[in-house]
Amino acid sequence: NAGVTQTPKFRVLKTGQSMTLLCAQDMNHEYMYWYRQDPGMGLRLIHYSVGEGTTAKGEVPDGYNVSRLKKQNFLLGLESAAPSQTSVYFCASSYSQGPTEAFFGQGTRLTVV
Amino acid sequence: RKEVEQDPGPFNVPEGATVAFNCTYSNSASQSFFWYRQDCRKEPKLLMSVYSSGNEDGRFTAQLNRASQYISLLIRDSKLSDSATYLCVVIPYNNAGNMLTFGGGTRLMVKP
Repeated sequence: NAGVTQTPKFRVLKTGQSMTLLCAQDMNHEYMYWYRQDPGMGLRLIHYSVGEGTTAKGEVPDGYNVSRLKKQNFLLGLESAAPSQTSVYFCASSYSQGPTEAFFGQGTRLTVV
Repeated sequence: RKEVEQDPGPFNVPEGATVAFNCTYSNSASQSFFWYRQDCRKEPKLLMSVYSSGNEDGRFTAQLNRASQYISLLIRDSKLSDSATYLCVVIPYNNAGNMLTFGGGTRLMVKP
């Protein structure tokens, strides 16, 4: 019972490099989200998707892009990494009907040097 | 002002103590409320939903006060295993994306 799986779990990037974080869920959830968590800031929403082929900006979208080509996958891209993007990234998913529980992946620890 | 605010703590309590956390929210149209628990270096997990009438799950009691725009979490008979960060989560009314808005979390440390 995998739930929400994120890859990779850890990554170190140099400033200016690019990378893609992959989130996969096997619960047939419509909604998927990418959050970042920084000390003292809580979790902040980067981008989200309400269904396959749709994406929308969250609270802190700058410097990130996303794609939802398949319902089960939600990709987060960093085109040109900056030290300010050093953070822990969490992917989550939930059903579409009403306020329901969100299930989180185990997180990706990204350091940009 | 943040949409959802929590005292970051830490709250240091002995085993067996009763401890309570509050969380305030700024959007009066907020519709749904939750408490999530996050262990160190782990992902958040749902602890309990918060209903208008209040709800209880074992040693945990959650209350909602719409007039004052806050929710609370009461933990009775604290266990060492309750040590974690407790995240207050709010979903605004008619939020098409079910977007969860998180507070910064309250850290609880239960000591022997």
